[in-house]
Amino acid sequence: AQSVTQLDSQVPVFEEAPVELRCNYSSSVSVYLFWYVQYPNQGLQLLLKYLSGSTLVKGINGFEAEFNKSQTSFHLRKPSVHISDTAEYFCAVSEKAGTALIFGKGTTLSVSS
Amino acid sequence: EAEVAQSPRYKITEKSQAVAFWCDPISGHATLYWYRQILGQGPELLVQFQDESVVDDSQLPKDRFSAERLKGVDSTLKIQPAELGDSAMYLCASSLGGVGANYGYTFGSGTRLTVV
Repeated sequence: AQSVTQLDSQVPVFEEAPVELRCNYSSSVSVYLFWYVQYPNQGLQLLLKYLSGSTLVKGINGFEAEFNKSQTSFHLRKPSVHISDTAEYFCAVSEKAGTALIFGKGTTLSVSS
Repeated sequence: EAEVAQSPRYKITEKSQAVAFWCDPISGHATLYWYRQILGQGPELLVQFQDESVVDDSQLPKDRFSAERLKGVDSTLKIQPAELGDSAMYLCASSLGGVGANYGYTFGSGTRLTVV
């Protein structure tokens, strides 16, 4: 069965510093991987996705993620964060088209000045 | 930009009462999902519809929860009777379905339910 582990529940950083949010997944087959962001009392917004091809995926708001099949990881990175990046970030996986996403428990990114 | 509409945004209900949430997906999206998100957790699937048919409701507590999508468009999720542990954010999402789902779901803003 699929599962997603987000290794850090909270990540505090200073503005303009780089950040990495870690995500590992467990699956016996090929997967599709996603990162979503959630602001307080809002729904989830898609940041980026990996379906196939290049393992480095670029998304919105300057975020990127790298798919590493051997390490079953899909870590999210941003070279310089802003206060406005403060939010909850969720990694998700699905095993095939049209199946429901399985989400991790989330990582709270807190950016301070 | 097309949106998934959910109502109400907030709902406070007493234990043992009935409560219902509504979701209107993006036009043309065949697949609709209801997720429950407990505070501090990731969303967990309750039910998945393909058009008007249920694809997966294995995690839906069927003794108190029901979901329908009668005409394959909008959907209603009902809880009767509500329990304190049902307090959570209820999120609706839609996708084109099939390969189109790979482009990610579009989520609504959710309904925040508080059971007192």
